[in-house]
Amino acid sequence: EDKVVQSPLSLVVHEGDTVTLNCSYEVTNFRSLLWYKQEKKAPTFLFMLTSSGIEKKSGRLSSILDKKELFSILNITATQTGDSAVYLCALNSGGSNYKLTFGKGTLLTVNP
Amino acid sequence: GAVVSQHPSWVICKSGTSVKIECRSLDFQATTMFWYRQFPKQSLMLMATSNEGSKATYEQGVEKDKFLINHASLTLSTLTVTSAHPEDSSFYICSAIEDSNQPQHFGDGTRLSIL
Repeated sequence: EDKVVQSPLSLVVHEGDTVTLNCSYEVTNFRSLLWYKQEKKAPTFLFMLTSSGIEKKSGRLSSILDKKELFSILNITATQTGDSAVYLCALNSGGSNYKLTFGKGTLLTVNP
Repeated sequence: GAVVSQHPSWVICKSGTSVKIECRSLDFQATTMFWYRQFPKQSLMLMATSNEGSKATYEQGVEKDKFLINHASLTLSTLTVTSAHPEDSSFYICSAIEDSNQPQHFGDGTRLSIL
């Protein structure tokens, strides 16, 4: 059975800090790994990673995948209070249904 | 691009009522739509996968007769919670995917409260 483990489960930082969120996984047939940000409503898409070692970047957020060691990290630099959210890591293990297996998420709180 | 609209955003109703939730992909055709349920401070739990024109595939433990899914077109899927009871109160979220190389995009969710 596919498995996604995120750490830490929660994190409190001050504005301006840099944070690294971790996601490790077990999978029989890897297709892609995705990161989402969830505030009060439903998740919004951040990154989709399919290849090892290629960093994806969007503003202050970046993410990278290591398919050999089976993990991914999400970095946020110069954090702002608006970054406060639950960050979800999800695994797409292929098959005909493209369904995702989600981790429990990391609750990030950025204090002013 | 890739906007998914979910309606209604909030429903409060009496026990025994059936509730229908709509999920629409606004600017793309969704080959597959997904329905999730999320309890407070928990992650998303997949309930069912829906393909246009065919029967939904339900996850283990999800009652097909309780949670009716209809995917009548490439842009619309509906979830009907039949004879809802307080234990069905939850946050229901849909997502849609255009093809296997694209990420799932989520609707804003429906908060269902059964009194």
